[in-house]
Amino acid sequence: SQTIHQWPATLVQPVGSPLSLECTVEGTSNPNLYWYRQAAGRGLQLLFYSVGIGQISSEVPQNLSASRPQDRQFILSSKKLLLSDSGFYLCAWSWGRFTGELFFGEGSRLTVL
Amino acid sequence: GDSVTQMEGPVTLSEEAFLTINCTYTATGYPSLFWYVQYPGEGLQLLLKATKADDKGSNKGFEATYRKETTSFHLEKGSVQVSDSAVYFCALSGPGTASKLTFGTGTRLQVTL
Repeated sequence: SQTIHQWPATLVQPVGSPLSLECTVEGTSNPNLYWYRQAAGRGLQLLFYSVGIGQISSEVPQNLSASRPQDRQFILSSKKLLLSDSGFYLCAWSWGRFTGELFFGEGSRLTVL
Repeated sequence: GDSVTQMEGPVTLSEEAFLTINCTYTATGYPSLFWYVQYPGEGLQLLLKATKADDKGSNKGFEATYRKETTSFHLEKGSVQVSDSAVYFCALSGPGTASKLTFGTGTRLQVTL
């Protein structure tokens, strides 16, 4: 069976510090990978998605970036966090042949102070 | 671009009441439509989906019908239970949007005894 792991679960960081959130999927190959941010009143905002190694599509201009160094690994990064980066970040995967079903991780809550 | 509009919550109902959560969409062409649910402390999971006009998706007593003429996909359940308390997200995948979902803002449902 397939599983998705996302860490850390909770993170408190000062403004201007770097960020690295990691996500790995097990039990499948060549999945599509996604980073979403969930903010109160704004629902789920797609940040990045990837259909293959080294292929990253950015949906929202911001100071965040994403990388896919391995087939089943997806990393969300920032060089300098802003207060507005606070939120709940969700990683998800889907089958390479997209059916609309996303499988979500449990999320990472980031607080920038 | 594609967008999804959901009724604002929270929605508070007594157990066994009838539930409707409204969802309308804007998209080019004929998208696929989805409802996802997020139970407290958990990640999102797919509840039901419909891929073409007049299709009815159903699962766990919930139903939603794809209405092209009104661009709607309202979620309904005839008799809610306390265990249905969660946040419900409507989402779409447009034919030209290649392997990604656009979500609504979510509607929180609280069911009381």
